[in-house]
Parts: sequence; C-alpha cells; structure tokens
Amino acid sequence: GEQVEQLPSILRVQERSSASINCTYENSASNYFPWYKQEPGENPKLIIDIRSNMERKQIQGLIVLLDKKAKRFSLHITDTQPADSAMYFCAASEGTGYQNFYFGKGTSLTVIP
Amino acid sequence: EAAVTQSPRNKVAVTGGKVTLSCNQTNNHNNMYWYRQDTGHGLRLIHYSYGAGSTEKGDIPDGYKASRPSQENFSLILELATPSQTSVYFCASGDVGGRAETLYFGSGTRLTVL
Repeated sequence: GEQVEQLPSILRVQERSSASINCTYENSASNYFPWYKQEPGENPKLIIDIRSNMERKQIQGLIVLLDKKAKRFSLHITDTQPADSAMYFCAASEGTGYQNFYFGKGTSLTVIP
Repeated sequence: EAAVTQSPRNKVAVTGGKVTLSCNQTNNHNNMYWYRQDTGHGLRLIHYSYGAGSTEKGDIPDGYKASRPSQENFSLILELATPSQTSVYFCASGDVGGRAETLYFGSGTRLTVL
C-alpha cells in the first residue's frame, strides 16, 4: 500500500505566527490529499483538501500546496491562534468510488499564547 | 453534517473475551470503515465495507472481523481480545463527491484489554 510520511510529529509555535506541516507519498497514482484536524478527545474532521489537478488551495487561513513531481504536499496555517492547537493528519488516496486512505502519523500542534 | 455514532464510548475487556464495537450512520453512505489510532502510528485501516453484506480487509485485519448487516450499521468484532488490541477505534462513513471521498468519523471507542 501507500506510505505517507508526515513531519514534524510535534510542532510548537507562537500565537499569530505560521505553522507548516509536510507530507510525502510514494504512489504516483495518489490523486487526492485531505487534511484532518483532531482536537483532544474528539474525532478527526476534514479541514481542507487538494486534488492532483491543483497546486495550491486556500480556505481562509489554511493553505495547502501540492508538488506532484516531488510527491510532496503541505499544510500551512497562517496567523495561528490557540484554537488551532490540535493533532493534524495528512492523507493520500487514489482511485474512484471506494478509496483507501493512507494517513500520516500525525502532527501535534501547540500554539502558545 | 454527517452523523456517525459509535458505541460504546469506553470498553474494558479481558484477554480472550469477545468484544463487539458498533457503528451506526444515518447518511446513507455506501462506504464504511474501521480504523484504530495509536500513538506513533496515526490511523490504520482494519476493515471496510462497500455496502450491506460487504466486508473487506484493510491494512491490519488480523485478529478482527467485521459485519455490515445493513446500510446503516457496521460492527467490528474481536473474537479473542488481546492486550495489543488496546487502542482507540474510529468508525467512519464515506461520502463520494466528484472523484474524491470525504470521511466522516464517529467519536471513537476507547478499548482497554486487560
């Protein structure tokens, strides 16, 4: 199956600074890359995604970049707030209909007030 | 938002016992999944289903069975629980939009096997 590497595993940033999380994948057929946020004691929730026909996507303070040649994608959180503190997971999937999602191991983000 | 309900929220079992984790979704999604989450491993797929009557093995199926008796319900069964199966288990259902699928996760079941 696919292997998704996610770094860093732990990230601490000052409030109002930016936070970046990077993921790499192996399977050239992967074409959909979602990001999930999991707050303590809660379930993971989709926050942003990008498909292989795009290089950049932004939703408010969240930016996702995709470099298909390098098989790398990243999440950038601008102007971080304490409410952004959570676990973040990247994932990669391919195919249509049923798609197996391969998740990274997660990044624990702490935003320091 | 999609509603996926898991039960129980917490479970303590003994080694060798049988454990059944239940999941119900009310969104008419065809696809359902069981993941386990462990520190340092992220989310790993155990079993999944395309619809009622269908179960498929995921990446780590050993020691687990699954059952999808209806569109709404998907169960994970541990016939002989072991301490290595102590984990947090998440059920998810899938909503295919365009060519990509959004996963909606339940609130999780924390299982401890003593």
